[in-house]
Amino acid sequence: SYELTQPPSVSVSPGQTARITCSGDALPNQYAYWYQQKPGQAPVVVIYKDTERPSGIPERFSGSRSGTTVTLTISGVQAEDEADYYCQSADSSGTDYVFGTGTKVTVL
Amino acid sequence: QLQLQESGPGLVKPSETLSLTCTVSGGPITGSSYYWGWIRQPPGKGLEWIGKIYHSGSTHYNPSLSSRVTISVDTSKKQFSLKLSSVTAADTAVYYCARRAGYPGLYFDYWGQGTLVTVSS
Repeated sequence: SYELTQPPSVSVSPGQTARITCSGDALPNQYAYWYQQKPGQAPVVVIYKDTERPSGIPERFSGSRSGTTVTLTISGVQAEDEADYYCQSADSSGTDYVFGTGTKVTVL
Repeated sequence: QLQLQESGPGLVKPSETLSLTCTVSGGPITGSSYYWGWIRQPPGKGLEWIGKIYHSGSTHYNPSLSSRVTISVDTSKKQFSLKLSSVTAADTAVYYCARRAGYPGLYFDYWGQGTLVTVSS
């Protein structure tokens, strides 16, 4: 089955930069998407189609890709960015979807 | 503003069938290129895609769950439903319904608040 691998946790001081990676063999064939999930809430998309940011999402959130790895970067991290982050993509046919393993971002 | 709301029993016995319904309001369920999906999250764990359905009834399921999952749609009621058979404790999770954005955006742009389903005797 198709898998997307993320680091379990990332810790960052306020104002610093957090980078979260997501790796998967089929990533070169499909866009990646990133969600932020705070405790007790539904996920919210923060990046779509690798690098696009939905309206209302702060500019400090950005996405990039290199080969089989995509990266979510949070520049100038704020306390409110503490949350779980999940990447998501699809298999090569675009039919079946998969979520990454998730990364907990802790703001020190 | 599009809204989705899950409903259904919060407690299901082992070996029985879990049934949930998602009601869509504030927008059409028959919109072109939109799919409607189910995602679950066991307590303290990550997200798992269950499946999705188009308003025509076309479905796609997670291969790991496909033998137990059925998703259906009732466009007249603006609802779509999930049935998961032969449940065990491992199926205890918060279940979310969500809208998949229009193609080529293969992601979920609107989500319900989620509903916790516990499998226990």
